[in-house]
Amino acid sequence: EVHLVESGGGLVEPGGSLRLSCAASGFTFSSVWMSWVRRAPGKGLEWVGRIKTKSGGGTTDYGAPVKGRFTVSRDDSKNTLYLQMNSLETADTAVYYCATGYTGAFEIWGQGTMVIVSS
Amino acid sequence: QFVLTQSPSASASLGASVKLTCTLSSGHSSYAIAWHQQQSEKGPRYLMKVNSDGSHIKGDGIPDRFSGSSSGAERYLTISSLQSEDEADYYCQTWGTGIHEFGGGTKLTVL
Repeated sequence: EVHLVESGGGLVEPGGSLRLSCAASGFTFSSVWMSWVRRAPGKGLEWVGRIKTKSGGGTTDYGAPVKGRFTVSRDDSKNTLYLQMNSLETADTAVYYCATGYTGAFEIWGQGTMVIVSS
Repeated sequence: QFVLTQSPSASASLGASVKLTCTLSSGHSSYAIAWHQQQSEKGPRYLMKVNSDGSHIKGDGIPDRFSGSSSGAERYLTISSLQSEDEADYYCQTWGTGIHEFGGGTKLTVL
């Protein structure tokens, strides 16, 4: 069965850093592009960033609000996706999901991990 | 730059049908979209991909009550025989070179 399980969320002060993880199982992790998506309280889904496969160059793209502060990476040997979040702002408070698919659509979602940025 | 437009809310009675709309921005009317459902306090769930020709590919285990269609720049999600568990937020999503975008979501209330 296909699974994505996020972890690493928590409470952090503005300006701080946090690293999220997403453990994948049930599919060939190294063959798919992986994304992070978030949902802030009272708001809709927002795409955060994406990493291609190693064979696709392993390049990353980011949404405008997080560009330069967040970094997506992957460890195919551990079937794990990461999101390094630096210079956190209160506006980054959200549930963070990892997601993937084979055609561009997000066919597989995790259950999410909560990040609260507050002093 | 993609923009996906959804009505903020919709409602329909138990057992009835409802049609949700997602409108692609100018110049992007040929793009496919995906529909996702998010129930309260749960992660999103992929429902289906809808192509510009109206064909759609549903995710595993998605009931036949859910269907997709297209007309021009509009993509639709129709839910028939509404059940209480269909009450949720529904999002459309599209993608391009180096970017993904979501619509603002439609909150569906089942009366």
